[in-house]
Amino acid sequence: DPKIIQKPKYLVAVTGSEKILICEQYLGHNAMYWYRQSAKKPLEFMFSYSYQKLMDNQTASSRFQPQSSKKNHLDLQITALKPDDSATYFCASSPGQGGTEVFFGKGTRLTVV
Amino acid sequence: GDSVTQTEGLVTLTEGLPVMLNCTYQTAYSTFLFWYVQHLNEAPKLLLKSSTDNKRTEHQGFHATLHKSSSSFHLQKSSAQLSDSALYYCALSDWGNYAQGLTFGLGTRVSVFP
Repeated sequence: DPKIIQKPKYLVAVTGSEKILICEQYLGHNAMYWYRQSAKKPLEFMFSYSYQKLMDNQTASSRFQPQSSKKNHLDLQITALKPDDSATYFCASSPGQGGTEVFFGKGTRLTVV
Repeated sequence: GDSVTQTEGLVTLTEGLPVMLNCTYQTAYSTFLFWYVQHLNEAPKLLLKSSTDNKRTEHQGFHATLHKSSSSFHLQKSSAQLSDSALYYCALSDWGNYAQGLTFGLGTRVSVFP
């Protein structure tokens, strides 16, 4: 059974629209992350959360907003979508200690047309 | 900041031949090094990890040794299989900073042919 659930698996959006990518983890981890993978920049770190608090943000654009309603949830809201936002977005988690493995969900493949 | 440099682009090889993917890193802190493998349309998953200097670590026929003196963590396999065709990432994580999760290299795509 997948322990990090991402929804939807595929998403097609119109330029200028807004979408929310869902992520839930059932590994009991304290830290959660979003990564983006595209042809131009493989596995790019976006955000990290720990105990529902933002730890680090490496995303230049405020159009990307993480939302954490529970410790094991970290959704990603993307507004004013652009074709360049087309990528696979991976949610990930870790126990929250330095040096530990990061576990990835299966990703949401976003295409902006 | 932290950085990881690995063999760039595409590596093509014939089944049965050895594989070596280079990885070097820069960090000011004590660190863990990782190799992740990502098969087509799947999530990245851990292949190997190490924080111990000069100790060989092995998994699924792959092995790597962390050499802190040269800041390297090269991935090797003695005999490539068709199923080894995938994208490989070298990554590091600092002991004292889990906030960024892992710092990844750009990835190396490996294609193994019969």
